[in-house]
Amino acid sequence: GQQVMQIPQYQHVQEGEDFTTYCNSSTTLSNIQWYKQRPGGHPVFLIQLVKSGEVKKQKRLTFQFGEAKKNSSLHITATQTTDVGTYFCAAPDLNSGGSNYKLTFGKGTLLTVNP
Amino acid sequence: DAGVIQSPRHEVTEMGQEVTLRCKPISGHDYLFWYRQTMMRGLELLIYFNNNVPIDDSGMPEDRFSAKMPNASFSTLKIQPSEPRDSAVYFCASSLATGVYSYGYTFGSGTRLTVV
Repeated sequence: GQQVMQIPQYQHVQEGEDFTTYCNSSTTLSNIQWYKQRPGGHPVFLIQLVKSGEVKKQKRLTFQFGEAKKNSSLHITATQTTDVGTYFCAAPDLNSGGSNYKLTFGKGTLLTVNP
Repeated sequence: DAGVIQSPRHEVTEMGQEVTLRCKPISGHDYLFWYRQTMMRGLELLIYFNNNVPIDDSGMPEDRFSAKMPNASFSTLKIQPSEPRDSAVYFCASSLATGVYSYGYTFGSGTRLTVV
């Protein structure tokens, strides 16, 4: 089935530094979603990107969808300790008769922040 | 709305026992998903329902796993018999289709299953 590859797997930063995680697919995606999971918690939906080249911002978080709709990124400016967690991208798996409603999740990027 | 509600939060059981996980989706959501999360394999989709009908169960590991959704407000995931390799966090999620795509999933707090 379709896979979305995320890099890096882990990222440790000093508080105040920026952070970026990348999500790549070998096939064109209809849309991509981003989730955050705090340690011991459950994934929480952050945003959905649909259009080619789309850029959306949520306070210090900036989400981008590539022009070819095969990659996406999440950038956090001036990280805080509250940003700690695993960030997942997720995209519909349209292979093998899949649908736009069935998401395949990347393996995630674990962000730790040193205060 | 209380969100997606899962029970129990933690389950410890002996190998060979039957385990039943429960989920109450958000009212009005028409899709329900069961995921399993482990360190090695990440988040894996086991099965999903649309309007209470199972659509895709290709992720269910084997016949020991079964899932039902008897009505719009309740779903169960059953493992019988359970094995140590089933130990994982099981998440239920629901979503609402809005035209072409579903909007973001709302996950429950999960059930941490340990089979000894």
